[in-house]
Amino acid sequence: EPEVTQTPSHQVTQMGQEVILRCVPISNHLYFYWYRQILGQKVEFLVSFYNNEISEKSEIFDDQFSVERPDGSNFTLKIRSTKLEDSAMYFCASSEFPGQGRGYTFGSGTRLTVV
Amino acid sequence: SQQGEEDPQALSIQEGENATMNCSYKTSINNLQWYRQNSGRGLVHLILIRSNEREKHSGRLRVTLDTSKKSSSLLITASRAADTASYFCATGPYGSGNTGKLIFGQGTTLQVKP
Repeated sequence: EPEVTQTPSHQVTQMGQEVILRCVPISNHLYFYWYRQILGQKVEFLVSFYNNEISEKSEIFDDQFSVERPDGSNFTLKIRSTKLEDSAMYFCASSEFPGQGRGYTFGSGTRLTVV
Repeated sequence: SQQGEEDPQALSIQEGENATMNCSYKTSINNLQWYRQNSGRGLVHLILIRSNEREKHSGRLRVTLDTSKKSSSLLITASRAADTASYFCATGPYGSGNTGKLIFGQGTTLQVKP
């Protein structure tokens, strides 16, 4: 079964530092997403990405956030200057076509702790 | 309340019993999906039901969708200890077909006792 791979599994960073979370989506998928889950809360949509551009982003996804697909396999989320409230589990996901058939494949997540 | 509210928040049953979880939502949807999350792990897609479908089955899972009531239910039959996890409904808002945005509920924590 193809998987979405996320690295690192856990990242601890100082407030104000930049972090890059990495994801390798499933190779034949066309749509890529980032979600986050603050401990004990619901999973929240951050951004969707298709055809090398952002197709939708949430209010959470402000100027401190950016996404990139630097090559044919990686999909990254960058937080420029981390805040304490950015501490959360970040999930990458990919899909062939949204809203159809097999749903989305999520990675196991990166737990980001900002201290 | 917000899009995608599950109830109950927590459910504890014996192995072999059926588990039913409900999800309500507010806005029009393109599709509704159910996901499972084991503690500290990623989300696993279980089943997707489109807005023009009323019922769907996959193995021991049965999902219903009532768009007039803006609600869905997930039934797990003959539960096993391995079904212990959190279950989330996620809605794809109408018009989100090209972006794939999903709105998740708070989830139901299911415990199946052996």
